[in-house]
Amino acid sequence: DTEVTQTPKHLVMGMTNKKSLKCEQHMGHRAMYWYKQKAKKPPELMFVYSYEKLSINESVPSRFSPECPNSSLLNLHLHALQPEDSALYLCASSQDVSTHTPLHFGNGTRLTVT
Amino acid sequence: AQSVSQHNHHVILSEAASLELGCNYSYGGTVNLFWYVQYPGQHLQLLLKYFSGDPLVKGIKGFEAEFIKSKFSFNLRKPSVQWSDTAEYFCAVNGGNNNDMRFGAGTRLTVKP
Repeated sequence: DTEVTQTPKHLVMGMTNKKSLKCEQHMGHRAMYWYKQKAKKPPELMFVYSYEKLSINESVPSRFSPECPNSSLLNLHLHALQPEDSALYLCASSQDVSTHTPLHFGNGTRLTVT
Repeated sequence: AQSVSQHNHHVILSEAASLELGCNYSYGGTVNLFWYVQYPGQHLQLLLKYFSGDPLVKGIKGFEAEFIKSKFSFNLRKPSVQWSDTAEYFCAVNGGNNNDMRFGAGTRLTVKP
C-alpha cells in the first residue's frame, strides 16, 4: 500500500462544477507533485511544490489551481473543466526536490468530466 | 529539458524468458534515471534508480538496469520473468535543479503463464 493518500478515488463532475482533489502524506517529505495521466500514456508533470511554495507550473490552464496548506497536504482545485481533462490525477511526494530523490505516488483520483 | 524514449510499447513473453526493455534519454547535463512499475490497478512504484557510482543498478524483484552514458541508455533487465511481472513499466529521468521528473511512454509487459 502506498503512503501517499489521495481522495476521492473517483470523481465525476460537470463542466460548471467546482471540486477539489486532496492528497496527504506523513513521511515528512517537503516536496509534493501533481501529475496527470491519460489512458495508455505516461504521467505528465503539472505542478511541483517545494517547502509549501510552488516551484514548477508546467503551463497548466488556470482552471486547475493547486494549493499546499502545509507540508503534509496538497490540494488541486478544479473549476470549469473540459471533457478532455478527464484523466487519472496522481499525487506524489519526495524527501525534497533534489533530483536523486525518488517520488512516492498515490493511487490517484480518476476524474471524469461530463 | 530532459526527455525519455521507450521503444517497446507492448512486450509479450512466456514465463522464465529473459526481459530487456529499452530506455533512451536526452539531456545535456548530469541525469538521474529511474524505472517505475505500475501493476494493474495499483500505484506507480519505484523499481530502481541510478544517480552515481556503479552503472549496473540492482532493484527490487530481481530487476536490474545498466546506465551506458555513451549510448544515453538505461535499459531494464530481468533474467527470468514471472507471470506476476505483468505490468506497465516506465523509465523516468530528471536533471537540472528541480525534481521535474519526466516519464517515457511506458512499456506494457504481458507474461503468459
